[in-house]
Amino acid sequence: QQPVQSPQAVILREGEDAVINCSSSKALYSVHWYRQKHGEAPVFLMILLKGGEQKGHEKISASFNEKKQQSSLYLTASQLSYSGTYFCGSGETSGSRLTFGEGTQLTVNP
Amino acid sequence: EAQVTQNPRYLITVTGKKLTVTCSQNMNHEYMSWYRQDPGLGLRQIYYSMNVEVTDKGDVPEGYKVSRKEKRNFPLILESPSPNQTSLYFCASSLYSGALNSPLHFGNGTRLTVT
Repeated sequence: QQPVQSPQAVILREGEDAVINCSSSKALYSVHWYRQKHGEAPVFLMILLKGGEQKGHEKISASFNEKKQQSSLYLTASQLSYSGTYFCGSGETSGSRLTFGEGTQLTVNP
Repeated sequence: EAQVTQNPRYLITVTGKKLTVTCSQNMNHEYMSWYRQDPGLGLRQIYYSMNVEVTDKGDVPEGYKVSRKEKRNFPLILESPSPNQTSLYFCASSLYSGALNSPLHFGNGTRLTVT
């Protein structure tokens, strides 16, 4: 079952912050975050594992609430290069594969 | 350069004509997977493979076949393509067989149009 992402789309001005949420109805072992620019392949940002938290980039960080099966991606002081579609991928405790959400389209304007 | 290579990048075909999209990785990854991407639906998994000769269905396997005879290759086969298989396809690989705790590396995608 696909995780649910919110919001579906967000528009920012350069320098503003944003939060993207990812929620699953299943017990999760891990959450992945990827960014996809138009016409390109998704690119890995970070993984959050059950029992731990991994920060992938300076101004992009994430949290993982295991009890609520939720993860949030935080983009601080956004740059034009942050524009793209962000996907979360959830890995269930009982499974061995990733299921992706529908994506959040982020647009950063000057 | 470490990469996942898909071919072709673009493919236009007719209903019923068998086709194969190739995928190869040079990173000695255990796990490989195929996804299709359609507007508003995100990335949906078609098939995945945790190791050589081990494959399993994802969320949308109907109309597709795969094989994993070698570690580096994971071709996607459409025996009788139909217009509803028009989509953007991505192959991805991951170091560990479980794929839950290691990043997915994606190929550049194959845009398939079935008329």
